[in-house]
Amino acid sequence: TQLLEQSPQFLSIQEGENLTVYCNSSSVFSSLQWYRQEPGEGPVLLVTVVTGGEVKKLKRLTFQFGDARKDSSLHITAAQPGDTGLYLCAGEGDSNYQLIWGAGTKLIIKP
Amino acid sequence: SQTIHQWPATLVQPVGSPLSLECTVEGTSNPNLYWYRQAAGRGLQLLFYSVGIGQISSEVPQNLSASRPQDRQFILSSKKLLLSDSGFYLCAWSARIGEKLFFGSGTQLSVL
Repeated sequence: TQLLEQSPQFLSIQEGENLTVYCNSSSVFSSLQWYRQEPGEGPVLLVTVVTGGEVKKLKRLTFQFGDARKDSSLHITAAQPGDTGLYLCAGEGDSNYQLIWGAGTKLIIKP
Repeated sequence: SQTIHQWPATLVQPVGSPLSLECTVEGTSNPNLYWYRQAAGRGLQLLFYSVGIGQISSEVPQNLSASRPQDRQFILSSKKLLLSDSGFYLCAWSARIGEKLFFGSGTQLSVL
């Protein structure tokens, strides 16, 4: 069974600080997606990483896919209150190609 | 452009009552459609997905069922709700299985 573990589960930091969120597995994924979800809304896709070692940047957000395609990280530089939300990673599964979801990291940025 | 509509936004139902949640997609043909459930502040559990009209795959045995009467319409139903059916239900679509998902705004269901 493929699993994705996200850490930390909860993170509360001050505006302007940097942070990293992790998404780890013992399984290889052909691609991995990161979503952000605000309360009472559906998740919105931020990025998809496909190639081992790939790095993608979205303004102050940097996403990296591990060389072995078993893990990924999201780094936020100079966090802002607008970054607050639930961050979810999801990988394309082997069995029926459905997405395997991590449990999420709840991020709060205090002004 | 493609849009996805899901309603109602909130629903409070007594135990034992029926349920019908509806989701429609606009601006695309033959989408893959999904129903997910999410515990508060946590990850997503896939309940059902559909690759075409009348084709429903169930991922988790439960008190719920799904139907796809039209290409861009997906319905989640129950004949008798249980307390454990409470949660945040999300409809989504994708162009291909495993590719990025576009989510509706969700339905917060409380069964009392």
